[in-house]
Amino acid sequence: EPEVTQTPSHQVTQMGQEVILRCVPISNHLYFYWYRQILGQKVEFLVSFYNNEISEKSEIFDDQFSVERPDGSNFTLKIRSTKLEDSAMYFCASSGSGTGGSYTQYFGPGTRLTVL
Amino acid sequence: DQQVKQNSPSLSVQEGRISILNCDYTNSMFDYFLWYKKYPAEGPTFLISISSIKDKNEDGRFTVFLNKSAKHLSLHIVPSQPGDSAVYFCAASARTGGSYIPTFGRGTSLIVHP
Repeated sequence: EPEVTQTPSHQVTQMGQEVILRCVPISNHLYFYWYRQILGQKVEFLVSFYNNEISEKSEIFDDQFSVERPDGSNFTLKIRSTKLEDSAMYFCASSGSGTGGSYTQYFGPGTRLTVL
Repeated sequence: DQQVKQNSPSLSVQEGRISILNCDYTNSMFDYFLWYKKYPAEGPTFLISISSIKDKNEDGRFTVFLNKSAKHLSLHIVPSQPGDSAVYFCAASARTGGSYIPTFGRGTSLIVHP
């Protein structure tokens, strides 16, 4: 069964450093997403990406964040200068073309980001 | 601003009994609702969904009920099994750019005792 994969599973970084979180969405999906979940809180939407551009973003997704699809398979989230409050689980998700059940988003296992 | 509320942070049920997880929403524009299950150290896993044109959707042991007038939905699991123990997230979305970005509730931790 196809699945979303994410690397690394755990990333530890110093405050102010740049991090890149990587995701490989399900191969025939067209929409890609990043979410985060701070410990003990709800899953929060960050950004969606379609047709090589951002389609929606939340207020959390400020200038410190960027996304890229550098090739036909990877989807990355970059945080330019990490802050302590960026520590969270980051989930990548993908969905199909939007008809019927393909509105459903399928999530990866997450990357735990720890900013020291 | 909690547009999707899961007021019970936890629920404990005996194996074989019914588990009922509840969810309330405030945004009348929501027209597609989903339940996700999440185990520790894993991403949310899609469980079942329902569109606003229906009031019930069933998939095996899982049934989701939607009451649009009350802006309430519930997930019924029957019979409950120990493997169902997980955090269950309710999510709701409105058609926006075709991507159906869901808004998640805070989750309900279900524990099914053998």
